[in-house]
Amino acid sequence: SQTIHQWPATLVQPVGSPLSLECTVEGTSNPNLYWYRQAAGRGLQLLFYSVGIGQISSEVPQNLSASRPQDRQFILSSKKLLLSDSGFYLCAWNRERLNGYTFGSGTRLTVV
Amino acid sequence: GQQLNQSPQSMFIQEGEDVSMNCTSSSIFNTWLWYKQDPGEGPVLLIALYKAGELTSNGRLTAQFGITRKDSFLNISASIPSDVGIYFCAGAPSTSGTYKYIFGTGTRLKVLA
Repeated sequence: SQTIHQWPATLVQPVGSPLSLECTVEGTSNPNLYWYRQAAGRGLQLLFYSVGIGQISSEVPQNLSASRPQDRQFILSSKKLLLSDSGFYLCAWNRERLNGYTFGSGTRLTVV
Repeated sequence: GQQLNQSPQSMFIQEGEDVSMNCTSSSIFNTWLWYKQDPGEGPVLLIALYKAGELTSNGRLTAQFGITRKDSFLNISASIPSDVGIYFCAGAPSTSGTYKYIFGTGTRLKVLA
């Protein structure tokens, strides 16, 4: 069966520090991968998606970047965090174009 | 980014009551999804709908793909305390040539025992 792992679960980082969140999928190959952010009490905002190794599409201009160094690995990064980067970050995957997503358990990021 | 209109935003109900929520869009959608999110967790897929007019059940949950393809409904019958959470709709626009879903703003459900 397929599983998605996301870590860390929680993170407190100072303003200006770097960020690296990792997401891996097991039990499938060539998944579509996504990073979403959820502000407190709000809906889900798509940040990045990837349909293959090295292929990254950005949805909104921001202080973050994404990379896909391996087929089942998706990384969310920042060189210098801002207070506004705080939120709940979710990784998700699917295989076929219109299949629903499977989400990871999320990372709660607090920038202080 | 674009979001779906989801209502109500929140609701308090008594245990045993039925619940209804809906999602509307100005665009035609090919697929509608309904998710539930527990506090501090990622959303979990409840029901997926792929055809206009489709009615699908998952236990006490029933969802429908509107015949106009611009809306969807989720009903929960005989609510129980563990139904508490945030329910999100998501849709894939028919014009979308990519893999992205648009999410609603969520309905926060609280069940009073």
